[in-house]
Amino acid sequence: GAVVSQHPSRVICKSGTSVKIECRSLDFQATTMFWYRQFPKQSLMLMATSNEGSKATYEQGVEKDKFLINHASLTLSTLTVTSAHPEDSSFYICSAILAGVGETQYFGPGTRLLVL
Amino acid sequence: AQSVTQPDIHITVSEGASLELRCNYSYGATPYLFWYVQSPGQGLQLLLKYFSGDTLVQGIKGFEAEFKRSQSSFNLRKPSVHWSDAAEYFCAVALMEYGNKLVFGAGTILRVKS
Repeated sequence: GAVVSQHPSRVICKSGTSVKIECRSLDFQATTMFWYRQFPKQSLMLMATSNEGSKATYEQGVEKDKFLINHASLTLSTLTVTSAHPEDSSFYICSAILAGVGETQYFGPGTRLLVL
Repeated sequence: AQSVTQPDIHITVSEGASLELRCNYSYGATPYLFWYVQSPGQGLQLLLKYFSGDTLVQGIKGFEAEFKRSQSSFNLRKPSVHWSDAAEYFCAVALMEYGNKLVFGAGTILRVKS
């Protein structure tokens, strides 16, 4: 149980294009999902908290207009990197909290984004 | 401010030897503590967690961790390491008053030599 998937697993795009990453909780409902970014040889940095049916809460320094987050249902959150640039290349990981339990985050396998 | 410190960036142990990965935290309230493992290019897998109760927590893959409030520590241990344990290990504390946001340590890369 508590499986989280991400799609795509890796994506290469040209500078200036937008990329959408999906995060799904496969066997549970997730009231809250989180989006992280991980640079090579570094830890995970929280980008934003996504609550179903409401606007995402972004961490300080994260551009809301660049990283659009939508949490349309209890099993799906999407992160769209708009007008991507090479410095946006990174490993993006989502996590989800099991509704009604609240304490443990279950992580997706991550999406490797490379912007050329 | 809340923080998590993993003082060892890299650790190398021989297969079959015991392992201890250190984690210290700075947090005003009673912490919820986690250890996650990450293989290269993969997401994070939960090894174990501490919320309350018994301070010695058993996890998956033969790992355990002990919460020591007096030392603000939550060290991860395994009595006998297997080559498949080679990965990066992250300690994290959940900020309950901020919607369960996790603050991660910098990670410890474990290498296992045969």
